[in-house]
Order: sequence, then structure tokens, then C-alpha cells
Amino acid sequence: QSALTQPPSASGSPGQSVTISCTGTSSDVGGYNYVSWYQHHPGKAPKLMIYEVNKRPSGVPDRFSGSKSGNTASLTVSGLQAEDEADYYCSSYASNNNYVFGTGTKVTVL
Amino acid sequence: QVQLQESGPGLVKPSETLSLTCTVSAGSIRSYYWSWIRQPPGKGLEWIGYMHYTGSTYHNPSLKSRVTISVDTSNNQFSLKLSSVTAADTAMYYCARFIRSGNYYFDYWGQGTLVTVSS
Repeated sequence: QSALTQPPSASGSPGQSVTISCTGTSSDVGGYNYVSWYQHHPGKAPKLMIYEVNKRPSGVPDRFSGSKSGNTASLTVSGLQAEDEADYYCSSYASNNNYVFGTGTKVTVL
Repeated sequence: QVQLQESGPGLVKPSETLSLTCTVSAGSIRSYYWSWIRQPPGKGLEWIGYMHYTGSTYHNPSLKSRVTISVDTSNNQFSLKLSSVTAADTAMYYCARFIRSGNYYFDYWGQGTLVTVSS
């Protein structure tokens, strides 16, 4: 299966919002509500931020929200903070017990 | 808090087998699926496969014939073997707990271990 498509970079000033898209197909993103998002600071373990399209694990700030329309999922970070600067990856269950990640987006806080 | 820690050789020769182990702390390995994910330098994440301690296993089709994932319940560990490696297998390798019960996501990850394939 092919990787989900994300923009290579996104940026915003502190306090602003940034939205990252994640485009797949009807065999992954569009076919299932099993999209999740991970925050990755280099050198650290990736962290689950969103699962099942729009659910936040305990401890994740409500500044992080997810949504989906058709074959494209999105992660929005509102009220950007310096510590939000990281790489973000989407992922989705795909048909036939496969799993696929996105290409990754580097978020820069200006 | 569940913790995962990868271990294994950081350098593997081409055509040999890459072997890594993930030790799970503060949680039983019996109740979940366990997975391996990798990230080549400068690239994105790639799912390798996941396994339940009962033996149910799923692999990335692009790697399937070279991948073996196994679980050692007595030591609360699971392992990855990747055969016939090439330079393209050079990557940071992560182990993670995979939730696969009505939903699908990785909720706990290790910090990763870098494996370089070179002679």
C-alpha cells in the first residue's frame, strides 16, 4: 500500500492555528474511521495525539482536534505553543489487516 | 505507565539478519498486539507488522517474506527478525503497543534504536 499524503511542512505563530491534511484512498482513510495522529519530537518516542479520527487520549490538550471528510483526514492545532513544534504523522487502518502511515509534516512555530 | 525499550545490534552486514528485541515494562504482554515500525533517515514512518501473543500475526506486504515477529511471554518481550537486509533497511526501529479491538492505533512507543546496514 502507498503512504498517506501529508504536506511536508506547516507553520504558524504562537497562538495561531495550523491544520495538517492527510490524504489516502477509499481503502484506508476513506473506508474506516481508524485514523490516528502522532507527534514526534526527534530523539523521543512518538506520542499518540488523536485516535479514531477525533478522539483524544487522556492528557492530550484539547487544542488538538481531528476530523475527516471523504479520503482526507485533518489535524488542527489551535493556540500554537512552542512545544508543539514537531513532526506529525497520520496513520490509518487499511484493508486486509494492513496499516499505513502518512509521509509526515514538520510543524514550525514561528 | 507502560514502557517499551528496544535493544539489539546497531550495525548489521548486508545479506545478514537484523534482530531486535523489545522489553515491555509495567504491563503484561499477554493482553495486546505488539508492533514494529521503522523510519529510514530523512523519511517517514513505515509499519512493519504486529503480533498477538497467541500467534496471530500481520505484516506489511512489502516486507512480508523477510519479516518474523515473535513474542516471549516468560520475559515480557517481543522480537523482530528481518532477513537478507540491504542498505535500504537502515532505519530507526521502534516497537509499540498496538490497540486492535474495535479500533486501531499505537498507544505506547519505545524511543527507538538505530540500525545501520553496512559492511
